[in-house]
Amino acid sequence: ILNVEQSPQSLHVQEGDSTNFTCSFPSSNFYALHWYRWETAKSPEALFVMTLNGDEKKKGRISATLNTKEGYSYLYIKGSQPEDSATYLCAFPIIGSARQLTFGSGTQLTVLP
Amino acid sequence: DVKVTQSSRYLVKRTGEKVFLECVQDMDHENMFWYRQDPGLGLRLIYFSYDVKMKEKGDIPEGYSVSREKKERFSLILESASTNQTSMYLCASNSGGGYTFGSGTRLTVV
Repeated sequence: ILNVEQSPQSLHVQEGDSTNFTCSFPSSNFYALHWYRWETAKSPEALFVMTLNGDEKKKGRISATLNTKEGYSYLYIKGSQPEDSATYLCAFPIIGSARQLTFGSGTQLTVLP
Repeated sequence: DVKVTQSSRYLVKRTGEKVFLECVQDMDHENMFWYRQDPGLGLRLIYFSYDVKMKEKGDIPEGYSVSREKKERFSLILESASTNQTSMYLCASNSGGGYTFGSGTRLTVV
């Protein structure tokens, strides 16, 4: 079982602030890293799948970077808005299984108007 | 629009009741998963299935069983509900790679 860790566990920011949080994972046997956004009363939604060291992906005001050698990924939100309030999950494939993911405990973001 | 549908958004059940949580996907995915989410613990895998009539235990299978009689449907069964099974339950499916999730069932056992 892999250990995927996220920090911080929760975060409160003011509207308009930029913020970032971290996902750490074992650097050996890297295959892919997934980011999801889970808003209250909705299904978790896929944000990014990252596969290459040095990858940077962007979706609107949200971007993510990947460092497979040191085993971390950052998620950045520029100019946070109340609608960005959600739990952000990262996930890593179980070694030997291309089908099953193990999840971090998530970062719960609250953006205050 | 592809979907994973969970039959109930909220459920309240009594201790000792047998509880069925249903999940249906319309994407012809081979793999289906049941997770529970508790504050500070993240998503923990209960059971999964890679094929019809196939099931494998996840990290926390105690107190649960599953059924997969058809490819599109994966049912989670609480044989005798207990208060420590109060949680958010999420179903997911894939054919490798990322998951498509249902919207979750918040189960309260009183």
